[in-house]
Amino acid sequence: DQQVKQNSPSLSVQEGRISILNCDYTNSMFDYFLWYKKYPAEGPTFLISISSIKDKNEDGRFTVFLNKSAKHLSLHIVPSQPGDSAVYFCAASFLYGNTPLVFGKGTRLSVIA
Amino acid sequence: DAGVIQSPRHEVTEMGQEVTLRCKPISGHNSLFWYRQTMMRGLELLIYFNNNVPIDDSGMPEDRFSAKMPNASFSTLKIQPSEPRDSAVYFCASSLEGRGLAKNIQYFGAGTRLSVL
Repeated sequence: DQQVKQNSPSLSVQEGRISILNCDYTNSMFDYFLWYKKYPAEGPTFLISISSIKDKNEDGRFTVFLNKSAKHLSLHIVPSQPGDSAVYFCAASFLYGNTPLVFGKGTRLSVIA
Repeated sequence: DAGVIQSPRHEVTEMGQEVTLRCKPISGHNSLFWYRQTMMRGLELLIYFNNNVPIDDSGMPEDRFSAKMPNASFSTLKIQPSEPRDSAVYFCASSLEGRGLAKNIQYFGAGTRLSVL
């Protein structure tokens, strides 16, 4: 039973346009959400996070939106760059206590120049 | 900071052999996590430690898998005997318990790609 779902295995976007990656979760107890980026032959690297008390968090070109009622979050990348091409993982956890992350299966983003 | 260090990067072994994967977490971090990535199941937790104590090993698939953390700077994941279905990429991650959003950010090593023939 997947608690975190990324329903799009892949996404292609033109350079300079917006990339929108989506993620759904089923456990309403999750209150902390993260996005990781992964290049081939490397480990996932932290990108941006959001807690359930907020509905938006922005860091440069990256913005994460959280819709608690829909149990949905999305990552927006504007403008998209070729170096953004990677696999993006959505993860969910709990704000208190050092607990494991529950990951989605990832979305492969290709930014075409 | 050198980050989380895993060794070896690649391991090729034959079915039935013992495999030991190693991890050095970021200095000062007090939580360590072992994950496995496969095409079918994605990234899944195997076991995690807080302050060197195993907290949850429910993700360990079978008794053939075991993990230890003898001190704050070293952990091992052992598979004995190994089977072809254990072939995957194994990641180690560490984090620091603390307040605010900076906590619970897990930092991953580069992974060990295991192939069991």
